[in-house]
Amino acid sequence: EVLLVESGGGLVRPGGSLRLSCAASGFTFSDHYMDWVRQVPGKGLEWVGRTRNKVNSYTTEYAASVKGRFTISRDESNNTAFLQMNSLKTEDTAVYYCTRAPHYLGAHYFDSWGRGTLVTVSS
Amino acid sequence: DIQLTQSPSFLSASVGDRVTITCRASQVISNYLAWYQQKAGTAPKLLISAASTLQSGVPSRFSGSGSGTEFTLTISSLQPEDCAAYYCQQLKSYPLAFGGGTKVEIK
Repeated sequence: EVLLVESGGGLVRPGGSLRLSCAASGFTFSDHYMDWVRQVPGKGLEWVGRTRNKVNSYTTEYAASVKGRFTISRDESNNTAFLQMNSLKTEDTAVYYCTRAPHYLGAHYFDSWGRGTLVTVSS
Repeated sequence: DIQLTQSPSFLSASVGDRVTITCRASQVISNYLAWYQQKAGTAPKLLISAASTLQSGVPSRFSGSGSGTEFTLTISSLQPEDCAAYYCQQLKSYPLAFGGGTKVEIK
């Protein structure tokens, strides 16, 4: 069974940093793209960024709203993906989801999601 | 960037009704479109990939259609457990945008 468990959320002041973790199990981690998606409570979904798989050298993509401030990485030995968030703004307040994105039918669809972790940026 | 416009943003329907949600892309995205269902307090769940391929375990009352810039998600006979928000997502190019969502309520 695929399992994704996020951790590391909490309250942080504007300008601060936070690192989220996503512990993965039940599948071959290095084979898969992993994405982060966020959701302001009561609002819609926003794609944050992606790390590709080993075959694609773990390269990354980011949404414009976080590019230069957020960094996605992964630890293959511990099957964990990370979202390092720096220079946080109040508008980064959201629930952050980790997703698995396997390739089929021509694209990488988000077929498994964690439960999410809440990040609150406030003074 | 590709924008996705979902309509309606909210709908209220009765059990057994046929419900249709539309997603329009600002550029041609072929069939690189997914639909997700999100029930209150839970993570989204992938319902449909490649515009029309139903994920394993998803009830057959759900269906997706479309290609290019116009897509639809149809629930053929609305059930109480379908009360949720539904989102489309394009996977043609970065950034991987989501539509604004459609909240479905049972009358």
